[in-house]
Amino acid sequence: DIQMTQSPSTLSASVGDRVTITCRASQSISSWLAWYQQKPGKAPKLLIYKASSLESGVPSRFSGSGSGTEFTLTISSLQPDDFATYYCQHQETFGQGTKVEIK
Amino acid sequence: QVQLQESGPGLVKPSQTLSLTCTVSGGSISSGSYYWSWIRQPAGKGLEWIGRIYTSGSTNYNPSLKSRVTISVDTSKNQFSLKLSSVTAADTAVYYCASLAAGLETFDYWGQGTLVTVSS
Repeated sequence: DIQMTQSPSTLSASVGDRVTITCRASQSISSWLAWYQQKPGKAPKLLIYKASSLESGVPSRFSGSGSGTEFTLTISSLQPDDFATYYCQHQETFGQGTKVEIK
Repeated sequence: QVQLQESGPGLVKPSQTLSLTCTVSGGSISSGSYYWSWIRQPAGKGLEWIGRIYTSGSTNYNPSLKSRVTISVDTSKNQFSLKLSSVTAADTAVYYCASLAAGLETFDYWGQGTLVTVSS
């Protein structure tokens, strides 16, 4: 089975910061990676699919990159609404999550 | 737009069977565009995929839960269901139903989630 590993587990940042989250796959998954945002008490929301494609309605400050085994989610200028937990996903496997906290 | 809504008991006794139903609206469960999936999340923890079903009835399950899980579909009601047998406290979680887009392999639509507590 393919394992997905995210880093860091927790990230402290300020409004306006550029934030990068990394997801590594245990073997090559080409570009078959998605990113989700989850806020407390809510279901996850799809942000990025096929590693770098922005889901409709998602702000352009979110971007994804990578292929093979290493992927990144970048928030170019962190907004108050972005403090949440982020998950990467390949097929049936999710990363363990990265919580973005207020610094 | 597709909407999903979970329903079922919020409290299940240990050793009994957890049963949940997901009702799909805004689209046909028979469309062939999605795999209909169940995902759970224990409090404060990450997301665990439970399994999925296609409109044809074919299923795939998480190997760690396979012996206890059954997912079924009722196209006449536009619903799919989850049964998890022999539950323990470790099965306490928020359970989500979600649609996995065939081809893109992304969970496009999610239910709001329902908390199921396993306790006597």
